[in-house]
Amino acid sequence: AQKITQTQPGMFVQEKEAVTLDCTYDTSDPSYGLFWYKQPSSGEMIFLIYQGSYDQQNATEGRYSLNFQKARKSANLVISASQLGDSAMYFCAMTLISGGYNKLIFGAGTRLAVHP
Amino acid sequence: GAGVSQSPSNKVTEKGKDVELRCDPISGHTALYWYRQRLGQGLEFLIYFQGNSAPDKSGLPSDRFSAERTGESVSTLTIQRTQQEDSAVYLCASSPRGPGHNEQFFGPGTRLTVL
Repeated sequence: AQKITQTQPGMFVQEKEAVTLDCTYDTSDPSYGLFWYKQPSSGEMIFLIYQGSYDQQNATEGRYSLNFQKARKSANLVISASQLGDSAMYFCAMTLISGGYNKLIFGAGTRLAVHP
Repeated sequence: GAGVSQSPSNKVTEKGKDVELRCDPISGHTALYWYRQRLGQGLEFLIYFQGNSAPDKSGLPSDRFSAERTGESVSTLTIQRTQQEDSAVYLCASSPRGPGHNEQFFGPGTRLTVL
């Protein structure tokens, strides 16, 4: 069965510093995708970044980058130059591409607090 | 353009009552997903629609839960004889097509409270 593990219930970071949010996954399927979503206190789910299992390079989107280590089955999110607005819940999620559709399996999330 | 909308935004009901939650996906999105998020937890997959068929209902927690979709538009999630453990935020998401990687666009959710 597929599983996403986020071992950090909460993280703190100083404004303008970088922070890494951990995510490990478990699947025996070779074709999968990994997502990170941000959920502010308003409750909306905001897509941040995507990494495909066959992608050769780590994904980057602005201040977000995904440190993809396939052999270790990890897909950590790195946020550079943290801003106060980055304070939110962050969810790692996985989909099986071979399944033909995008059912997302989510981790429990990490609550990030950015301090001024 | 309009995003995914859900109604009502909040629903308070008494144990044993039936509730209907509505989702309006982004126009043209053929894939629609329902998720449940209990307080302080991640999202749990409930059901997936491709068009108006539901090839994956594996996440529905019991036969009290059902969903339908009209064509490639509105979907309704129905919970019969609600229980207190059904209290959660129910999120709907849509994406342009089923196969392959596509970002899912989420609605704001319906917060259900069962007293």
